[in-house]
Amino acid sequence: GDSVTQMEGPVTLSEEAFLTINCTYTATGYPSLFWYVQYPGEGLQLLLKATKADDKGSNKGFEATYRKETTSFHLEKGSVQVSDSAVYFCALRRTQGGSEKLVFGKGTKLTVNP
Amino acid sequence: DAGVTQSPTHLIKTRGQQVTLRCSPKSGHDTVSWYQQALGQGPQFIFQYYEEEERQRGNFPDRFSGHQFPNYSSELNVNALLLGDSALYLCASSLVAFYYNEQFFGPGTRLTVL
Repeated sequence: GDSVTQMEGPVTLSEEAFLTINCTYTATGYPSLFWYVQYPGEGLQLLLKATKADDKGSNKGFEATYRKETTSFHLEKGSVQVSDSAVYFCALRRTQGGSEKLVFGKGTKLTVNP
Repeated sequence: DAGVTQSPTHLIKTRGQQVTLRCSPKSGHDTVSWYQQALGQGPQFIFQYYEEEERQRGNFPDRFSGHQFPNYSSELNVNALLLGDSALYLCASSLVAFYYNEQFFGPGTRLTVL
């Protein structure tokens, strides 16, 4: 079945450091891929998405490229801020018979220190 | 424009009891999905409702049931609660008419089973 594997956290960085959170997936076909962010006490917010191979999703300085050959969708940001501290989830979308579901990784907690 | 709302925010139950969680979708959305997020884990898909019918179901026992009303709001019912049902329950809404139907998440209901 479908699955998503993320690098284990927690990840602790200093402000302005470079961020990479690895994500790989196992799925048949070419599902759409997503990164969601969850701030403390809140629900999930869509951060960025990519719907086909070689697509690059970007938002708020974060980027991720859909790599079909390595089945990966790594999240990157060149310079993190304290406000980026949150839990990040990689997910794929599986469509079945007109309905859909998201399959999530376990999440990676990021803490950015001033 | 109100986003996805859920009630209650927190809930404490004892083993064997039954619980009902409620979700109002984002304005204009017609599809509701439910996810269970155990502590430190990624969300797991429970089921999706559209046109008042369950369209797809994840790997959850029949103790988990749902309903969608004509106004598109939804309820998640869990019978015979177990300690392992303690989790954050997330509702997500989307609009089925669009090919790319992004799911918008609510803040969740935190269920604690004692």
